[in-house]
Amino acid sequence: EIHLTQSPSSVSASVGDRVTITCRASQTIGNYLNWYQQIPGKAPKLLIYAASSLQNGVPPRFSGSGSGTDFTLTITSLQPEDFATYFCQQGYSTLLFTFGPGTKVDI
Amino acid sequence: QVQLQESGPGLVKPSETLSLTCTVSGGSISSYYWSWIRQSPGKGLEWIGYISHGGSTIYNPSLKSRVTISIDTSKTHFSLYLDSVTAADTAVYYCARLVDCTKGVCHYGMDVWGHGTTVTVSS
Repeated sequence: EIHLTQSPSSVSASVGDRVTITCRASQTIGNYLNWYQQIPGKAPKLLIYAASSLQNGVPPRFSGSGSGTDFTLTITSLQPEDFATYFCQQGYSTLLFTFGPGTKVDI
Repeated sequence: QVQLQESGPGLVKPSETLSLTCTVSGGSISSYYWSWIRQSPGKGLEWIGYISHGGSTIYNPSLKSRVTISIDTSKTHFSLYLDSVTAADTAVYYCARLVDCTKGVCHYGMDVWGHGTTVTVSS
C-alpha cells in the first residue's frame, strides 16, 4: 500500500495569505498525484490532477508541483471560500488508491 | 454536465448488507470508471473500489471479501453492496467518476462526485 502523509495537519491563515501544503508518498508515484478540496458537509472537489494540472473551472490561485515522492499544493492570495480541508490522493497504484489524512485551512 | 446521486437506506443493522445505488445523469455511463469512496471520522477518506463500464472491478483489499460493485449501463446506475456490516462501516458514502487520463495526461483522479449519503450501522 502506498501511504501518503500531509503537512501540516492544520494551518491558520488569513484572507490574502499564501498557503503551502505538502504531501509525501511512501514510494515513488511519478506524477500520479491529485489534490482535492472539501468544504464541511460537501463532497471533495478535484482541484489539481497529475501533480500540476489545473482542473477545469478551478481558479489559477491554486497550483501544484512535485514528482516522485514529494508534492506541494499552493494557494496564493487565500480567499474566504478557500477555508476547507485539502486532501492528496495517489493514482499510481490502480489496485489500491489511497488518500492523505488531510490538511485543514482555517482562520 | 454529469451529475451523480447516491441513494439507499441510511440505517443498516449489524451483520446485514449495505446496499447503495449511484444514479448517473447528464452523461453516459458507458465510458470512464465508476468508484465508491467512504469517509468516517476515524479513517478519513477510504477508497472502496471501482468498476469499468464493461463491468470489470477492482476492490480495496481490506474490503474485498465483503464488497461487490455492479453496473447497469442500460439504466445509468451502478451499485455498492457491502456484506456483514459492523459499526466500523458507519460513514458517509460517496460515488464518483474515476478518470484515467485527461488531455493525454494519466492520473486516476475522481473528477465528479455525488453529494454523499450517510449510512449508520446500528441495531
